[in-house]
Amino acid sequence: DAGVTQSPTHLIKTRGQQVTLRCSPKSGHDTVSWYQQALGQGPQFIFQYYEEEERQRGNFPDRFSGHQFPNYSSELNVNALLLGDSALYLCASSLAGGFNEQFFGPGTRLTVL
Amino acid sequence: AQSVTQLGSHVSVSEGALVLLRCNYSSSVPPYLFWYVQYPNQGLQLLLKYTSAATLVKGINGFEAEFKKSETSFHLTKPSAHMSDAAEYFCAVRVGGGADGLTFGKGTHLIIQP
Repeated sequence: DAGVTQSPTHLIKTRGQQVTLRCSPKSGHDTVSWYQQALGQGPQFIFQYYEEEERQRGNFPDRFSGHQFPNYSSELNVNALLLGDSALYLCASSLAGGFNEQFFGPGTRLTVL
Repeated sequence: AQSVTQLGSHVSVSEGALVLLRCNYSSSVPPYLFWYVQYPNQGLQLLLKYTSAATLVKGINGFEAEFKKSETSFHLTKPSAHMSDAAEYFCAVRVGGGADGLTFGKGTHLIIQP
């Protein structure tokens, strides 16, 4: 079992650019959640995808958008990058329905210059 | 809305000593509570979870936590610290079922002194 995988591992962008981060869920999982972890902080919930639709969203602007594919993998897109978007972006997968544990990937480190 | 407060951004204990990491939550409805550990340059690993069953929850690596509704607390303990326990620990809360994202505390950095 490969667990949750994320790509790329590291990414450097400049202000105003756009970025796409990718996540493959743990085998058998159908729900993907995205979190932003700024340096020295706890992760903050961005949004969750299930059945290719955004099911819940945290307090993040519309510059943050996502997508889930039929194979349950997911993308996080961030437009018009700001310096404050520099963070570790974590993907977590789980099974829908009732309570289910979220398994986290290793994250993508985004640096905005 | 729910929230989590972790008391102490850094906690230092000697190897073999008791580990106590504090977490208080705020929630208008019965919560689900979690402790995660994060090692440098890695993602989060679930240590244990409370889902309204037993109030004393045992997790991996010898950790346990007790849910105390009257104190709105979910403190993490381990009887004897090991050097390999040095990491960042996060308490998290979720209200409702699987559709809800987790709300994390700011984390506690655990330092183990030899």
